[in-house]
Amino acid sequence: SSELTQDPAVSVALGQTVRTTCQGDSLRNYYASWYQQKPGQAPVLVFYGKNNRPSGIPDRFSGSSSGNTASLTVTGAQAEDEADYYCNSRDSSGNDVFGTGTKVTVL
Amino acid sequence: QLQLQESGPGLVKPSETLSLTCTVSGGSISSSSHFWGWIRQPPGKGLEWIGSLFYSGSTYYNSSLKSRVTISVDTSKNQFSLKLTSVTAADTAVYYCARRYASSHYDYWGQGTLVTVSP
Repeated sequence: SSELTQDPAVSVALGQTVRTTCQGDSLRNYYASWYQQKPGQAPVLVFYGKNNRPSGIPDRFSGSSSGNTASLTVTGAQAEDEADYYCNSRDSSGNDVFGTGTKVTVL
Repeated sequence: QLQLQESGPGLVKPSETLSLTCTVSGGSISSSSHFWGWIRQPPGKGLEWIGSLFYSGSTYYNSSLKSRVTISVDTSKNQFSLKLTSVTAADTAVYYCARRYASSHYDYWGQGTLVTVSP
């Protein structure tokens, strides 16, 4: 079972702001990275580290971290942001682990 | 532009060994800054990390799969491979290969390949 817990689903009105969280004890020591996955496609990196957004990712995607919780925020959500989002970090052994995933619906 | 491509059988019988290869193009697998990993996703479910490898041969495995998994590298072919033994229907999934930058993030992914375990 995953040591990184995410809300199963969240919804947001078009143009509004949505935040999805990732909880786990290892996040006190490691940053999270965040991946967007649309149906039938491979995951795409959208945010990582303390404050890093890959080239080509809109600046409406941002991340933060506090204690055992990492957050991904989409400010001004667009229809194309509807997807599954996964966090990734380390488990208690220092190995990779993915979060349980959040389905984001844009209304 | 770096590209990763998974290849291997799409159908494996129960109790047999699943074997996949990831071919890296547009960059060298012998990079001191990167790890190379396998991640899978059962139909309708989330992502599961299987394991990672450094070009020198150092490997790291998911503890839940460790007894059945081997990841290896062939630097001469710019490829790395996954072997998963004694498969069952629970191993049916889309298998992705990906590049991880240091201990940070997966920046490049393959398109994924569906492997079905069925008689």
